[in-house]
Amino acid sequence: ELKVEQNPLFLSMQEGKNYTIYCNYSTTSDRLYWYRQDPGKSLESLFVLLSNGAVKQEGRLMASLDTKARLSTLHITAAVHDLSATYFCAVDLYGGATNKLIFGTGTLLAVQP
Amino acid sequence: DTAVSQTPKYLVTQMGNDKSIKCEQNLGHDTMYWYKQDSKKFLKIMFSYNNKELIINETVPNRFSPKSPDKAHLNLHINSLELGDSAVYFCASSHRPSGNIQYFGAGTRLSVL
Repeated sequence: ELKVEQNPLFLSMQEGKNYTIYCNYSTTSDRLYWYRQDPGKSLESLFVLLSNGAVKQEGRLMASLDTKARLSTLHITAAVHDLSATYFCAVDLYGGATNKLIFGTGTLLAVQP
Repeated sequence: DTAVSQTPKYLVTQMGNDKSIKCEQNLGHDTMYWYKQDSKKFLKIMFSYNNKELIINETVPNRFSPKSPDKAHLNLHINSLELGDSAVYFCASSHRPSGNIQYFGAGTRLSVL
């Protein structure tokens, strides 16, 4: 059974600090997504990583994918309060007629002033 | 202008009742999905339709029956509601080929009393 594990599950950090969220998965895939979810809200797409070594950056967030290690990271640079949310990685299982996303456990990020 | 819209936003009902959730997307996508997010924020795919054809049917009780009258609509009907069905249900849509972003609706919070 495919497992997608994120760590940490909860992260409290101070504004201005850097940190990394890790997403490990247990099957072969070279496609991975990161989403953000604010409390009581929908999921917003952040990054789409479609190959080994892919790196994407937007503002203070940078995501990367290492398919050999089955690992993706979401790096936060100089955190600000507005980044407080739950972050999910999702592995794309595709092939044949279907593709589906298997979501990680989520990381709740709280950025303290 | 909402890209993926779900109704209702909230649904409170008694055990044993039957209820439906509707979803519509105006993005021109050919694939739609239903996800369930439990109280621990864990997201799991339930169903997926491509051009009105069921392509993903995870291990979901038979009480859940999706229907897609056309590729822009995907509804979810739930019979004989149980306490364990309480969750947030998200609809999403995308273009079929893997590697395309799934866009999520705002969610329907179902509470079974």
